[in-house]
Amino acid sequence: GQQVMQIPQYQHVQEGEDFTTYCNSSTTLSNIQWYKQRPGGHPVFLIQLVKSGEVKKQKRLTFQFGEAKKNSSLHITATQTTDVGTYFCAGRRGASKIIFGSGTRLSIRP
Amino acid sequence: EAGVAQSPRYKIIEKRQSVAFWCNPISGHATLYWYQQILGQGPKLLIQFQNNGVVDDSQLPKDRFSAERLKGVDSTLKIQPAKLEDSAVYLCASSTGQGANEQYFGPGTRLTVT
Repeated sequence: GQQVMQIPQYQHVQEGEDFTTYCNSSTTLSNIQWYKQRPGGHPVFLIQLVKSGEVKKQKRLTFQFGEAKKNSSLHITATQTTDVGTYFCAGRRGASKIIFGSGTRLSIRP
Repeated sequence: EAGVAQSPRYKIIEKRQSVAFWCNPISGHATLYWYQQILGQGPKLLIQFQNNGVVDDSQLPKDRFSAERLKGVDSTLKIQPAKLEDSAVYLCASSTGQGANEQYFGPGTRLTVT
């Protein structure tokens, strides 16, 4: 069945360093969404990518969707303590079939 | 705008008992999702409703789990009987439509099965 793999599982960085998480699907996706979940909280929507090769930026966050629409990445420039949390990608095939990745937990040394 | 409401927030039951969770989505949201999130893992979609119809329930363990959204608004998810491996956070989310829309998540219900 469809799988969405996400790496790395954990990332511990010094404040100010960059952070990247990668998401790979075994099948072509209709779109991919990214969510952030703070410790003890619920997932909060960040962005949605639909087009092949799409790149979107939100301040220090850059999101990319691969040309084949099978992979995606989230890059954070100059991390801050407020970036702490787990970042999930969620791939969708068609109108349903949503599969969340396993998440990348980001922790930051002040 | 009120967010997605869920109750209860916490529930502790013994294995083989039954439990029900309730979700009230954001007003006007046609699509409602139930997820199971086991500690350290990503949310796993259990069932997706479009209004009061089921769009996807392929990962719902139908021998013990059931869900309904009779009037196309709020929804209940039931587990009967519960197993130890059902211990997880059950998240409800809603979105405006069946298509590619952002999901708004509720606070979740943390279930512990002993």
